[in-house]
Amino acid sequence: VQLVQSGAEVKKPGESLKISCKASGYDFTSFWIAWVRQRPGKGLEWMGIIYPSDSEITYSPSFQRHVTISVDKSITSAYLQWTSLEASDTAIYYCAKSRRFRAVAGDFDFWGQGTLVTVSS
Amino acid sequence: QSALTQPASVSGSPGQSITISCTGTSSDFGLFNYISWYQVHPGKAPKLLIFEVSDRPSGISDRFSGSKSGNTASLTISGLQGEDEADYYCSSYTSAKSCVFGGGTRLTVL
Repeated sequence: VQLVQSGAEVKKPGESLKISCKASGYDFTSFWIAWVRQRPGKGLEWMGIIYPSDSEITYSPSFQRHVTISVDKSITSAYLQWTSLEASDTAIYYCAKSRRFRAVAGDFDFWGQGTLVTVSS
Repeated sequence: QSALTQPASVSGSPGQSITISCTGTSSDFGLFNYISWYQVHPGKAPKLLIFEVSDRPSGISDRFSGSKSGNTASLTISGLQGEDEADYYCSSYTSAKSCVFGGGTRLTVL
């Protein structure tokens, strides 16, 4: 099992961005994928989760209005997208695979390497 | 949802045992015993140590153990080793496909 994320990004406030998480080595459509944020020097924050089979999504209320989570089953990839970045979005973003088959229980057994997003004018 | 409450830091000497607590409300922990613990070394991705309160994934040392009493979950690390120095996070499945993390605990091995 591998989750390989796209590379580091440097953006200006107001710009858009889409980062990716390429999954391999398992049945992509049968395991939920979550996105987790870690701001510099801060803790982990759960952003939301998507079920690749039908694109069912649950967002954390803290992130619902600011990001979009999606998948492309044909290329076993998940995405996290912003239409208008803010400086406060500067963070490392991780994708993570749910341990449970077709279910969510908050346990994620495989993680991407993280994508550093820097937003600065 | 507010983060689950963890101590900011704990420390211990090699060979000792330490326990990290994770406190939430009944709504944080939901109706399920779906408490997980993660280890995060600097610059590395989180690693799942414990799921469903006390179960370990394959390959995780039995020096790591989890428990829960009421609205407090705990991670115990026995036989502390230098490589255990890291940040530790609890997480809970709350409801409707939602999860919440604890604020994190920095473990220092003296």
